[in-house]
Amino acid sequence: EPEVTQTPSHQVTQMGQEVILRCVPISNHLYFYWYRQILGQKVEFLVSFYNNEISEKSEIFDDQFSVERPDGSNFTLKIRSTKLEDSAMYFCAGNTQSLDEQFFGPGTRLTVL
Amino acid sequence: RKEVEQDPGPFNVPEGATVAFNCTYSNSASQSFFWYRQDCRKEPKLLMSVYSSGNEDGRFTAQLNRASQYISLLIRDSKLSDSATYLCVLYTNAGKSTFGDGTTLTVKP
Repeated sequence: EPEVTQTPSHQVTQMGQEVILRCVPISNHLYFYWYRQILGQKVEFLVSFYNNEISEKSEIFDDQFSVERPDGSNFTLKIRSTKLEDSAMYFCAGNTQSLDEQFFGPGTRLTVL
Repeated sequence: RKEVEQDPGPFNVPEGATVAFNCTYSNSASQSFFWYRQDCRKEPKLLMSVYSSGNEDGRFTAQLNRASQYISLLIRDSKLSDSATYLCVLYTNAGKSTFGDGTTLTVKP
């Protein structure tokens, strides 16, 4: 059964550094999403992406965040200048229709020191 | 008011018990409704889609009431393996998803 994969599984970085989190969605998915989950808190929507454009983004997704899908396979989330409060688990997800169930990757744990 | 409110829990029940979770939502533009389960430090995984007509999958029954803006999940004959956090999730047509805070269930022998 196809799966969403994410790399790295754990990323440790210094405050102010740029990080890129990578996701390989399931091949027939058309809609892509990033979420974050701070330890002990709820899953929070960051952004949805379709047809190489952002469809919707939350208040969390400010100018420090960007997404792209440059080669038709990898879907990346970039955080330009990380803050301590960016420490969280970041999940990538995808689906074939925007209202269908989403399939989640295993997540990348980001630790900002 | 939160967009999605779930029973705060935690729920601690013995094996074999029946347990029900409720979730209310405020955005009437919500189009799709789901229950996901999340095990500790893992990704959310779909448990069930939720429809107005109600749907059942083995020991699990989900129901949507659009007029009252709530969804429910009923688990019968609880198993130890049902221990997890249950997430109420709503999607809008614009591609935005909203998760509830989650309700933690612990099933004890």
